[in-house]
Amino acid sequence: AQSVTQLDSQVPVFEEAPVELRCNYSSSVSVYLFWYVQYPNQGLQLLLKYLSGSTLVKGINGFEAEFNKSQTSFHLRKPSVHISDTAEYFCAVSGTGGYQKVTFGTGTKLQVIP
Amino acid sequence: SQTIHQWPATLVQPVGSPLSLECTVEGTSNPNLYWYRQAAGRGLQLLFYSVGIGQISSEVPQNLSASRPQDRQFILSSKKLLLSDSGFYLCAWSVRGDEGAFFGQGTRLTVV
Repeated sequence: AQSVTQLDSQVPVFEEAPVELRCNYSSSVSVYLFWYVQYPNQGLQLLLKYLSGSTLVKGINGFEAEFNKSQTSFHLRKPSVHISDTAEYFCAVSGTGGYQKVTFGTGTKLQVIP
Repeated sequence: SQTIHQWPATLVQPVGSPLSLECTVEGTSNPNLYWYRQAAGRGLQLLFYSVGIGQISSEVPQNLSASRPQDRQFILSSKKLLLSDSGFYLCAWSVRGDEGAFFGQGTRLTVV
């Protein structure tokens, strides 16, 4: 079984400042890792994913995440945030076989302050 | 291509009334199906998970139930709604682990 922990429920940050949203996971097997974004009253959309290879993964809207196996982390970063980045962000983990359950964290609300 | 349909988009129901939310997936076979709820201040909560027809796992005890009468149909129900059932309900599906999960647009349920 896998689990995901997003310790920060809310992260306020000023516009054009850098941001890091933290994600830690727990799993006894190899995993795939994901970040999703949710805008108000919408479903979740895939932002980026780590499957294998380079531990630094780049996604849409200038976001990137780094997989750290020893620390079981997959933190999301952006060097300079915009007002439009205000949304809720979810980290997720899946096993690497077929028909795997995807497990989500509870989410982090990013509030960009003008 | 695969698509997921979830309806209705918004729903206002009185306390004590029944509930039925439906989710249908197209373009894939034997998906894993999920019902999530987002209530104010409580994050994304997994309610039900299904790996096949008639196979439902309940993740948290509650006033709701789920059914999967067909491979690509997932229904969330309640016999009598409570005020605490208000929230944003999301249906999702997944197949391959490397694809992650795909979400519907959600249903905003307000129990009054």
